[in-house]
Amino acid sequence: DQQVKQNSPSLSVQEGRISILNCDYTNSMFDYFLWYKKYPAEGPTFLISISSIKDKNEDGRFTVFLNKSAKHLSLHIVPSQPGDSAVYFCAANNAGNMLTFGGGTRLMVKP
Amino acid sequence: KAGVTQTPRYLIKTRGQQVTLSCSPISGHRSVSWYQQTPGQGLQFLFEYFSETQRNKGNFPGRFSGRQFSNSRSEMNVSTLELGDSALYLCASSLVGTGTNTEAFFGQGTRLTVV
Repeated sequence: DQQVKQNSPSLSVQEGRISILNCDYTNSMFDYFLWYKKYPAEGPTFLISISSIKDKNEDGRFTVFLNKSAKHLSLHIVPSQPGDSAVYFCAANNAGNMLTFGGGTRLMVKP
Repeated sequence: KAGVTQTPRYLIKTRGQQVTLSCSPISGHRSVSWYQQTPGQGLQFLFEYFSETQRNKGNFPGRFSGRQFSNSRSEMNVSTLELGDSALYLCASSLVGTGTNTEAFFGQGTRLTVV
Protein backbone atom coordinates (compact mmCIF):
# COMPACT_ATOMS: atom_id res chain seq x y z
CA ASP A 1 0.00 0.00 0.00
CA GLN A 2 1.96 2.97 -1.30
CA GLN A 3 0.57 6.01 0.43
CA VAL A 4 3.00 8.38 -1.28
CA LYS A 5 3.82 7.93 -4.94
CA GLN A 6 6.22 9.58 -7.32
CA ASN A 7 5.15 8.24 -10.68
CA SER A 8 8.09 9.52 -12.70
CA PRO A 9 11.27 7.61 -11.87
CA SER A 10 13.37 10.04 -13.86
CA LEU A 11 13.27 13.51 -15.40
CA SER A 12 15.73 15.22 -17.71
CA VAL A 13 15.76 19.00 -18.24
CA GLN A 14 18.04 21.57 -19.80
CA GLU A 15 20.02 23.94 -17.63
CA GLY A 16 18.13 27.18 -17.06
CA ARG A 17 14.71 25.61 -17.65
CA ILE A 18 12.08 24.70 -15.07
CA SER A 19 12.08 21.28 -13.39
CA ILE A 20 8.72 20.05 -12.14
CA LEU A 21 8.66 17.01 -9.88
CA ASN A 22 5.33 15.50 -8.92
CA CYS A 23 4.03 13.54 -5.97
CA ASP A 24 0.64 12.02 -5.16
CA TYR A 25 -0.64 10.76 -1.84
CA THR A 26 -3.65 8.78 -0.69
CA ASN A 27 -3.80 9.32 3.07
CA SER A 28 -5.96 12.35 3.82
CA MET A 29 -4.53 12.43 7.36
CA PHE A 30 -1.19 13.71 6.08
CA ASP A 31 -0.86 17.35 7.05
CA TYR A 32 2.77 18.19 6.39
CA PHE A 33 4.81 17.55 3.29
CA LEU A 34 8.52 17.76 2.65
CA TRP A 35 10.93 17.48 -0.25
CA TYR A 36 14.40 16.03 0.11
CA LYS A 37 17.33 15.82 -2.27
CA LYS A 38 19.60 12.82 -2.10
CA TYR A 39 22.97 11.82 -3.54
CA PRO A 40 24.06 8.15 -3.61
CA ALA A 41 25.36 6.78 -0.30
CA GLU A 42 24.43 9.97 1.54
CA GLY A 43 21.52 10.98 3.71
CA PRO A 44 18.64 13.04 2.27
CA THR A 45 19.05 16.81 2.47
CA PHE A 46 15.98 18.81 3.42
CA LEU A 47 14.87 21.26 0.71
CA ILE A 48 11.47 22.71 1.46
CA SER A 49 8.24 21.87 3.25
CA ILE A 50 4.60 22.87 3.23
CA SER A 51 1.79 22.61 5.72
CA SER A 52 -1.62 21.42 4.59
CA ILE A 53 -3.12 24.79 5.49
CA LYS A 54 -1.13 26.38 2.67
CA ASP A 55 -1.12 25.82 -1.06
CA LYS A 56 2.27 27.28 -1.88
CA ASN A 57 5.64 27.78 -0.25
CA GLU A 58 8.64 29.39 -1.87
CA ASP A 59 12.32 29.39 -0.97
CA GLY A 60 14.69 30.84 -3.52
CA ARG A 61 14.67 28.70 -6.65
CA PHE A 62 12.39 26.11 -5.02
CA THR A 63 8.61 26.32 -4.83
CA VAL A 64 6.28 23.63 -3.57
CA PHE A 65 2.61 23.59 -4.53
CA LEU A 66 -0.03 21.61 -2.70
CA ASN A 67 -3.44 20.68 -4.12
CA LYS A 68 -5.29 19.04 -1.26
CA SER A 69 -8.42 18.19 -3.22
CA ALA A 70 -6.33 16.28 -5.75
CA LYS A 71 -3.94 14.95 -3.06
CA HIS A 72 -1.08 16.17 -5.21
CA LEU A 73 2.03 18.20 -4.61
CA SER A 74 4.76 19.38 -6.89
CA LEU A 75 8.23 20.86 -6.58
CA HIS A 76 9.30 23.51 -9.06
CA ILE A 77 12.97 24.37 -9.51
CA VAL A 78 13.63 27.53 -11.49
CA PRO A 79 16.13 27.93 -13.04
CA SER A 80 17.50 24.39 -13.00
CA GLN A 81 21.24 24.02 -12.54
CA PRO A 82 23.53 21.02 -13.17
CA GLY A 83 24.18 20.84 -9.42
CA ASP A 84 20.49 20.08 -8.94
CA SER A 85 21.02 16.65 -10.49
CA ALA A 86 20.12 14.14 -7.76
CA VAL A 87 17.25 11.95 -6.60
CA TYR A 88 14.34 13.90 -5.13
CA PHE A 89 12.02 12.38 -2.56
CA CYS A 90 8.72 13.73 -1.39
CA ALA A 91 7.64 12.76 2.11
CA ALA A 92 4.46 13.15 4.13
CA ASN A 93 3.81 13.40 7.84
CA ASN A 94 0.73 13.37 10.07
CA ALA A 95 1.34 15.12 13.39
CA GLY A 96 4.29 12.99 14.29
CA ASN A 97 7.81 12.29 13.22
CA MET A 98 7.11 9.27 11.06
CA LEU A 99 7.80 10.24 7.47
CA THR A 100 6.30 8.26 4.60
CA PHE A 101 8.45 8.61 1.51
CA GLY A 102 7.71 8.34 -2.17
CA GLY A 103 9.93 6.19 -4.36
CA GLY A 104 11.99 9.11 -5.64
CA THR A 105 12.55 10.85 -8.98
CA ARG A 106 16.01 11.08 -10.49
CA LEU A 107 16.52 14.56 -11.91
CA MET A 108 19.20 15.13 -14.53
CA VAL A 109 19.97 18.69 -15.50
CA LYS A 110 21.95 18.89 -18.71
CA PRO A 111 24.39 21.78 -19.27
CA LYS B 1 26.16 23.85 14.37
CA ALA B 2 27.07 20.20 13.91
CA GLY B 3 24.71 18.03 11.90
CA VAL B 4 23.47 14.51 12.55
CA THR B 5 26.39 12.13 13.04
CA GLN B 6 26.13 8.43 12.33
CA THR B 7 28.79 5.86 13.09
CA PRO B 8 30.18 3.79 11.59
CA ARG B 9 29.79 4.83 7.95
CA TYR B 10 30.38 1.35 6.60
CA LEU B 11 30.00 -2.08 8.14
CA ILE B 12 30.31 -5.65 6.91
CA LYS B 13 28.77 -8.40 8.99
CA THR B 14 28.10 -12.11 8.59
CA ARG B 15 24.67 -13.70 8.57
CA GLY B 16 23.51 -14.52 12.08
CA GLN B 17 25.59 -11.84 13.76
CA GLN B 18 24.19 -8.76 15.42
CA VAL B 19 25.06 -5.13 14.83
CA THR B 20 24.69 -1.83 16.66
CA LEU B 21 24.55 1.50 14.85
CA SER B 22 24.90 4.86 16.54
CA CYS B 23 23.36 8.27 15.91
CA SER B 24 24.08 11.63 17.53
CA PRO B 25 21.33 14.15 16.72
CA ILE B 26 21.69 17.87 16.20
CA SER B 27 22.23 19.62 19.51
CA GLY B 28 18.89 20.47 21.10
CA HIS B 29 16.91 17.97 19.01
CA ARG B 30 15.04 15.45 21.12
CA SER B 31 13.43 13.29 18.46
CA VAL B 32 15.47 10.66 16.65
CA SER B 33 14.05 8.47 13.89
CA TRP B 34 15.59 5.59 11.99
CA TYR B 35 14.98 4.66 8.37
CA GLN B 36 16.12 1.83 6.11
CA GLN B 37 16.83 2.43 2.45
CA THR B 38 17.03 -0.48 0.02
CA PRO B 39 16.79 -0.49 -3.79
CA GLY B 40 13.63 -2.58 -3.72
CA GLN B 41 11.69 -1.00 -0.85
CA GLY B 42 12.92 2.59 -0.90
CA LEU B 43 13.04 4.60 2.30
CA GLN B 44 11.10 2.94 5.10
CA PHE B 45 10.48 4.12 8.63
CA LEU B 46 11.84 1.87 11.39
CA PHE B 47 11.09 3.67 14.66
CA GLU B 48 11.19 7.00 16.44
CA TYR B 49 12.42 7.89 19.90
CA PHE B 50 11.59 10.97 21.91
CA SER B 51 12.82 11.62 25.43
CA GLU B 52 14.17 8.07 25.69
CA THR B 53 10.81 6.51 24.76
CA GLN B 54 9.89 4.73 21.57
CA ARG B 55 6.92 6.65 20.22
CA ASN B 56 6.34 5.24 16.77
CA LYS B 57 7.28 1.96 15.16
CA GLY B 58 7.28 0.86 11.56
CA ASN B 59 6.51 -2.53 10.13
CA PHE B 60 9.77 -4.33 10.86
CA PRO B 61 10.40 -7.57 12.76
CA GLY B 62 11.43 -7.63 16.39
CA ARG B 63 15.04 -8.25 15.37
CA PHE B 64 15.21 -4.51 14.84
CA SER B 65 15.33 -2.56 18.07
CA GLY B 66 16.62 0.72 19.35
CA ARG B 67 17.05 2.94 22.31
CA GLN B 68 17.69 6.55 23.17
CA PHE B 69 19.86 7.92 25.92
CA SER B 70 19.30 10.93 28.15
CA ASN B 71 21.53 13.06 25.91
CA SER B 72 19.26 12.17 22.95
CA ARG B 73 21.88 9.98 21.30
CA SER B 74 20.33 6.85 19.86
CA GLU B 75 21.43 3.37 18.97
CA MET B 76 19.83 0.86 16.69
CA ASN B 77 20.41 -2.87 16.99
CA VAL B 78 19.73 -5.63 14.50
CA SER B 79 20.06 -9.20 15.76
CA THR B 80 20.40 -12.42 13.80
CA LEU B 81 21.34 -10.60 10.63
CA GLU B 82 19.91 -11.75 7.30
CA LEU B 83 21.19 -11.03 3.82
CA GLY B 84 18.11 -8.87 3.22
CA ASP B 85 19.16 -6.54 6.02
CA SER B 86 21.87 -5.13 3.76
CA ALA B 87 20.87 -1.51 3.35
CA LEU B 88 21.67 2.11 4.05
CA TYR B 89 20.44 2.91 7.56
CA LEU B 90 19.60 6.55 8.08
CA CYS B 91 19.05 8.47 11.26
CA ALA B 92 17.07 11.71 11.36
CA SER B 93 16.69 14.23 14.15
CA SER B 94 13.90 16.73 14.73
CA LEU B 95 13.51 19.58 17.15
CA VAL B 96 10.15 18.89 18.70
CA GLY B 97 7.77 16.09 19.45
CA THR B 98 4.21 14.91 19.01
CA GLY B 99 1.54 17.14 17.60
CA THR B 100 3.79 19.46 15.69
CA ASN B 101 5.47 19.12 12.37
CA THR B 102 9.03 20.11 11.85
CA GLU B 103 11.70 19.20 9.40
CA ALA B 104 13.73 16.06 9.95
CA PHE B 105 17.46 16.37 9.27
CA PHE B 106 19.30 13.26 8.19
CA GLY B 107 22.76 11.93 8.84
CA GLN B 108 24.96 10.47 6.11
CA GLY B 109 23.88 6.96 6.99
CA THR B 110 25.54 3.67 7.79
CA ARG B 111 25.98 1.28 4.87
CA LEU B 112 25.50 -2.24 6.26
CA THR B 113 26.46 -5.20 4.13
CA VAL B 114 25.54 -8.69 5.33
CA VAL B 115 27.51 -11.53 3.74
